[in-house]
Amino acid sequence: DQQVKQNSPSLSVQEGRISILNCDYTNSMFDYFLWYKKYPAEGPTFLISISSIKDKNEDGRFTVFLNKSAKHLSLHIVPSQPGDSAVYFCAAHTGGFKTIFGAGTRLFVKA
Amino acid sequence: NAGVTQTPKFQVLKTGQSMTLQCAQDMNHNSMYWYRQDPGMGLRLIYYSASEGTTDKGEVPNGYNVSRLNKREFSLRLESAAPSQTSVYFCASSEAGRSNQPQHFGDGTRLSIL
Repeated sequence: DQQVKQNSPSLSVQEGRISILNCDYTNSMFDYFLWYKKYPAEGPTFLISISSIKDKNEDGRFTVFLNKSAKHLSLHIVPSQPGDSAVYFCAAHTGGFKTIFGAGTRLFVKA
Repeated sequence: NAGVTQTPKFQVLKTGQSMTLQCAQDMNHNSMYWYRQDPGMGLRLIYYSASEGTTDKGEVPNGYNVSRLNKREFSLRLESAAPSQTSVYFCASSEAGRSNQPQHFGDGTRLSIL
């Protein structure tokens, strides 16, 4: 049973527009959420995170929103750039040593 | 800055062969992890080491063993490789797993079992 779900395998966006990547989770005990970005033939790199006690965190062009009642978080990228084309993984931290990853969403940003 | 280094980058094995994947980090991190990534499955935790001298099972430990050789190095061993272990393997490290520190990943080992 997947505790962290990214239901959109891919997303295509025009350069300059907003990209919205979504993630749903089932475990209300998750205390921290992270987004990782992955380019082909490279490992994932940390992008942005949010604590479960907050509903928004912003870092430059990247904003993560958390809706605890809906068990839903989203990553907004504004404006989107071609270099943002990558696979984005949503991940949830359980408070121990285990991080649960979603299956990823491949973002294509068209120039 | 090397970060997390994994060797080898690619490997092809025959069923039943053994293999050790190597991982080293130069960030003085306490915690290290091994994941596998399969299509449509995201990253799944195989084993982790909270600190030097300790190792624990993750979500999918069957068929694997690990060794935390020292603070820098964490190896993953397949004793008798099976086709189901064909995957991309990622090693990661973090300052302390119990905090909210993000993990730093190596570039992966692409392993094919024939």
